[in-house]
Amino acid sequence: DAMVIQNPRYQVTQFGKPVTLSCSQTLNHNVMYWYQQKSSQAPKLLFHYYDKDFNNEADTPDNFQSRRPNTSFCFLDIRSPGLGDAAMYLCATSREQGSNQPQHFGDGTRLSIL
Amino acid sequence: GDSVTQMEGPVTLSEEACLTINCTYTATGYPSLFWYVQYPGEGLQLLLKATKADDKGSNKGFEATYRKETTSFHLEKGSVQVSDSAVYFCALMRGAGNNRKLIWGLGTSLAVNP
Repeated sequence: DAMVIQNPRYQVTQFGKPVTLSCSQTLNHNVMYWYQQKSSQAPKLLFHYYDKDFNNEADTPDNFQSRRPNTSFCFLDIRSPGLGDAAMYLCATSREQGSNQPQHFGDGTRLSIL
Repeated sequence: GDSVTQMEGPVTLSEEACLTINCTYTATGYPSLFWYVQYPGEGLQLLLKATKADDKGSNKGFEATYRKETTSFHLEKGSVQVSDSAVYFCALMRGAGNNRKLIWGLGTSLAVNP
């Protein structure tokens, strides 16, 4: 049973056209993360929510925004996608920010930019 | 700063061969250490973890021991299967409170041939 669900699995958008990726979780975890992963690279953390507290990584472009309307859902908004934003976007959750709490990942959304 | 170094891939093995993927880290204190696996087209799955020196994490026939003296967390499996073909990421958890984040290695691709 999927516990971190990302929709859609594949998303195609046009250059400059806003796009939203969604993530939901059934784990009731209070921390949710968004990563960007390009081919053959490690995931790159974009931001995370600890409950309702939003934490942006210093090098995350302003083009990327996030919303978390409730515990279960989190959205990644890309306001004006560029060709360089084509990547796999991974959502993850963890129970808390403890040092030994693993992160649970969804299967990702692969974003293509035309 | 904190970092994780993995052996470069790709690694190609025949079925039932022994596997070792080297991982060393640089960090202050005693970070928790993780191995994640990413099967083709999927998100990352936690494979195993260790939270203190001399801990051994194990799962699905894979093992890794937290070696403080050599700052290593090598992944081993005695007999690999074709289904183990994937990319393996070593990671450590650094930071405190709301600034905890995973520091990732670059990943090691494993291909197991029948």
